[in-house]
Amino acid sequence: EAGVVQSPRYKIIEKKQPVAFWCNPISGHNTLYWYRQNLGQGPELLIRYENEEAVDDSQLPKDRFSAERLKGVDSTLKIQPAELGDSAVYLCASSFGQFTGELFFGEGSRLTVL
Amino acid sequence: GENVEQHPSTLSVQEGDSAVIKCTYSDSASNYFPWYKQELGKRPQLIIDIRSNVGEKKDQRIAVTLNKTAKHFSLHITETQPEDSAVYFCAASKGPSGGSYIPTFGRGTSLIVHP
Repeated sequence: EAGVVQSPRYKIIEKKQPVAFWCNPISGHNTLYWYRQNLGQGPELLIRYENEEAVDDSQLPKDRFSAERLKGVDSTLKIQPAELGDSAVYLCASSFGQFTGELFFGEGSRLTVL
Repeated sequence: GENVEQHPSTLSVQEGDSAVIKCTYSDSASNYFPWYKQELGKRPQLIIDIRSNVGEKKDQRIAVTLNKTAKHFSLHITETQPEDSAVYFCAASKGPSGGSYIPTFGRGTSLIVHP
């Protein structure tokens, strides 16, 4: 079975440029999470989806970040415009929601903003 | 919200020694405590978890203990091997809440096992 798939794996952009990350969760997983992991830190939640509904986005910087999960399957996280402080690894994870607490992570998208 | 503190940030041991990583949490309503291992450049993966109705859980060389009164939990690795070298994250979660678990992660412990 395929795991959580993310792309791109690496992205280098100039500040003020836009960037988008894509995530395809494990089939059947209704819950999808986007986390940001700064160097030497633990993952921090940006947004959580239950199917297609964003139910927890309090940590998402809404002035520049946006996300969507059309049809309750794959998801896109966008940053526009990017700032130097956005350099981090963006991790997508999925789970069966209420049936298990285990999160299955993708390999992450490493963003470098110059 | 939940706050998870994790110590130490770096742990260096000799192969065969034991390693202990400790975490504390702030929200007494948290009831699920997973541990994730992240090897360099790879995705975090669940290695063991414990729920609030259990005080200890073992899986081969790995064990986790939970003290609900003190709001702390620990990961114990015995007979460490070089392949145990990785970053370990503890997390605390209430759940399911709004349909799923929402783990808050600690800052991570970099475990280095010297051959």
